[in-house]
Amino acid sequence: NAGVTQTPKFQVLKTGQSMTLQCAQDMNHNSMYWYRQDPGMGLRLIYYSASEGTTDKGEVPNGYNVSRLNKREFSLRLESAAPSQTSVYFCASSGTTTYFSYEQYFGPGTRLTVT
Amino acid sequence: QQQVKQSPQSLIVQKGGISIINCAYENTAFDYFPWYQQFPGKGPALLIAIRPDVSEKKEGRFTISFNKSAKQFSLHIMDSQPGDSATYFCAASILRDTPLVFGKGTRLSVIA
Repeated sequence: NAGVTQTPKFQVLKTGQSMTLQCAQDMNHNSMYWYRQDPGMGLRLIYYSASEGTTDKGEVPNGYNVSRLNKREFSLRLESAAPSQTSVYFCASSGTTTYFSYEQYFGPGTRLTVT
Repeated sequence: QQQVKQSPQSLIVQKGGISIINCAYENTAFDYFPWYQQFPGKGPALLIAIRPDVSEKKEGRFTISFNKSAKQFSLHIMDSQPGDSATYFCAASILRDTPLVFGKGTRLSVIA
């Protein structure tokens, strides 16, 4: 099992360019998430998908769009990148395992720089 | 509105000492309180978690203490080791498979 995979690992964009961050999980999880991590700000939720076919805004959705392509894949798109979107982006997934465990599994992250 | 407040932002502990990180929450509907550990260049990974029906959970050197009336929970790392040096995040959520709300993180450095 690869768990949660993200591509690319690193990306540099110029202001105004667009790009899509890809995420896939092989754990048959229902829910998937996109977070951004900035120094001193912790992990902030951008968008999430509770199940295939649904998406919802998180804390910081402006400037982003998402697509839940199927149960495995959840992509994050920046239509017109801005320097404020320079960050490390993490994808995560979760599914119902035991009653107690609501564990989210995180990918390795994408480090994005917008110049 | 920050729903989970974490302190301190950074912590330096001597090898063998006890590391203590605290979190406070506001939403009394939260029913799941995990701690995540993140090493540089990696994604966060679940370390230990607790439900509000117990006051303490221990796994090896890691213990969560939970105070429902005070709306606080804390992570204790006993016999801290240099390998424990990482960023630790507390979090909370309401229902199964709903998004976690994270604290801002604590960077722990364990020095020999």
